[in-house]
Amino acid sequence: QKEVEQNSGPLSVPEGAIASLNCTYSDRGSQSFFWYRQYSGKSPELIMSIYSNGDKEDGRFTAQLNKASQYVSLLIRDSQPSDSATYLCAYIEAGTSYGKLTFGQGTILTVHP
Amino acid sequence: KAGVTQTPRYLIKTRGQQVTLSCSPISGHRSVSWYQQTPGQGLQFLFEYFSETQRNKGNFPGRFSGRQFSNSRSEMNVSTLELGDSALYLCASSDSEGADTQYFGPGTRLTVL
Repeated sequence: QKEVEQNSGPLSVPEGAIASLNCTYSDRGSQSFFWYRQYSGKSPELIMSIYSNGDKEDGRFTAQLNKASQYVSLLIRDSQPSDSATYLCAYIEAGTSYGKLTFGQGTILTVHP
Repeated sequence: KAGVTQTPRYLIKTRGQQVTLSCSPISGHRSVSWYQQTPGQGLQFLFEYFSETQRNKGNFPGRFSGRQFSNSRSEMNVSTLELGDSALYLCASSDSEGADTQYFGPGTRLTVL
């Protein structure tokens, strides 16, 4: 079983819709979770970090974390064509895993006008 | 603050050669992590340095090595290059001793012929 599983893509949504990206992870002790966005040919860009169960909102983005279910999601409201990118979820393993982000394989999102 | 910088941005080498990549973290950041990104394997952790000490290492052969200087700049070296080393090499910096939120540089695209 992979350490981080993201919902298979590609995901296509119309402009203005809500895009929902999901991620499950295997390490029950993980404490820190992150969503990155990566445009084609570019490096990952941090969207949001989340550490506690519940929701965290930042503009059009909302991250949801459920540690009991080992599940983290990202909702993008009012999706724009500029949101078209690969979205990567990642976590820092519990314990002495200094600096080691474990990434999912990514979900390609396309927002069409 | 200026972001993470990496040099060179592009590199072409032949099999058997060695290569050194450089990374300058965000000012004040003391933790630098390195990742390899390929289409098949995704983003994989190479190693992390904090205050000139390697604290964590991923599952890569000994041909991959790194170091960090007193000004937090870091270098990674790959010796005896193989075709499979062709990848985007990313470094990321963090400002916490626990190496939490990481910010990525633009990456170095290495092509091995």
